[in-house]
Amino acid sequence: NAGVTQTPKFQVLKTGQSMTLQCAQDMNHNSMYWYRQDPGMGLRLIYYSASEGTTDKGEVPNGYNVSRLNKREFSLRLESAAPSQTSVYFCASSNPQTEAQYFGPGTRLLVL
Amino acid sequence: AQSVSQHNHHVILSEAASLELGCNYSYGGTVNLFWYVQYPGQHLQLLLKYFSGDPLVKGIKGFEAEFIKSKFSFNLRKPSVQWSDTAEYFCAVRHSGGYQKVTFGIGTKLQVIP
Repeated sequence: NAGVTQTPKFQVLKTGQSMTLQCAQDMNHNSMYWYRQDPGMGLRLIYYSASEGTTDKGEVPNGYNVSRLNKREFSLRLESAAPSQTSVYFCASSNPQTEAQYFGPGTRLLVL
Repeated sequence: AQSVSQHNHHVILSEAASLELGCNYSYGGTVNLFWYVQYPGQHLQLLLKYFSGDPLVKGIKGFEAEFIKSKFSFNLRKPSVQWSDTAEYFCAVRHSGGYQKVTFGIGTKLQVIP
């Protein structure tokens, strides 16, 4: 099992550009999440999807959109990137039986 | 809204010293509690978790945590740290039941000096 995979690993954008961060899991988990990690602020939830076909806002959803394409894939889109979105983005999935979250390797995003 | 407080943001210890990292949460209902670890350059990994039963929970690599309901605390401990424990540690809380939103603390960076 690959677990949770994310692409790309690193990206540089100019202000105003758009991009999509991809996430996939092969553990048959129902729930998936997108977090951003910033120094001194820990992990903050951007969006989550409790099950295929549903998505909900987390703590910091502004400037982002998500798509739960199928049970495996959960993408995060930045329509018009801003320097404040410079961060490390982690995707995670969870199993209702264990209730622990499994994290991907992260995407480092730099917005100039 | 629930919140999670980690009081020590940066801890420096010598090898073989004992470790205790504090974690307090604000929610008064039934909770599930987690500690995650992030080694340098890596993603978060589950260290241990508490759902119910014995409030003293043992995790991987010699770590343990104690749930004290009256103090809303879930402190992480290790009797003797190693250089390889250098990492950032995150406490997390989830309401038991309902959807699986988890609230993370801001993290504690542990540096172990050989």
